[in-house]
Amino acid sequence: EAQVTQNPRYLITVTGKKLTVTCSQNMNHEYMSWYRQDPGLGLRQIYYSMNVEVTDKGDVPEGYKVSRKEKRNFPLILESPSPNQTSLYFCASGRTGWANYGYTFGSGTRLTVV
Amino acid sequence: GNSVTQMEGPVTLSEEAFLTINCTYTATGYPSLFWYVQYPGEGLQLLLKATKADDKGSNKGFEATYRKETTSFHLEKGSVQVSDSAVYFCALSPQNTGNQFYFGTGTSLTVIP
Repeated sequence: EAQVTQNPRYLITVTGKKLTVTCSQNMNHEYMSWYRQDPGLGLRQIYYSMNVEVTDKGDVPEGYKVSRKEKRNFPLILESPSPNQTSLYFCASGRTGWANYGYTFGSGTRLTVV
Repeated sequence: GNSVTQMEGPVTLSEEAFLTINCTYTATGYPSLFWYVQYPGEGLQLLLKATKADDKGSNKGFEATYRKETTSFHLEKGSVQVSDSAVYFCALSPQNTGNQFYFGTGTSLTVIP
C-alpha cells in the first residue's frame, strides 16, 4: 500500500530533550515536506526537500532540523524542544510534477512538550 | 505573494443540506488549486483538484470550479452526510514551483442527523 508513515503517533517530552520524528514513504517520491498544524493557523511548512541531500526552509523552520540521506526517509529533529513546539506534525511527499497531483500525507504526530 | 483565504467555521448542517465552503486565493500566474479533507484523528487526504482556469474538480459528490476572474475555488456538495463531518482545507500550488504549498486555515464541518 502506498503510504507515508510517521512515528511516533503521540509523544510527550520535556523541554530540552532532543527528539526525532521519523517519516518514511514507499512511493519513490522526490519531494518531501514537514508541516505543523495549530488551531486557527492551518498548516505551516517547516522544511522541505526536493531530493536526496537537498533541503530548504519553509515558513517556520526555527528550532527544527531535517536531513535527507535517503530518498524514502525525511526525519524531523528537535534538538532542544520548547513548549511552543507543542503541535500536530504532518509529513508529506509528492512525485515529480507534484504541483498537479497534490501531496500524500502521513497520519500525523501529536507532540506535547512540557 | 501567495495566500489562501477560507471561510471561517465551524459549520454545522443537517444531513442532506447543501454545503458551500468559500475559498479565495492570491497568486501570480496560474496556480493549481486543491481541496483536502481531514477526518478526525487522521492526516489530510486529497479530495479534489483543478489545474487551470474553468476546470471543475469533483470527487465523492463534492465539486469545485477554478474561477480565475474571481480568484475563487469554492467547495460545494448538494447533499451532505454525517460521514462528511471533517475539516476541509483549501490549498494552492504556485505555477512552476515545486517548493511550497499554501494552505488555508481549514473549515470544520459537522453534519448532524
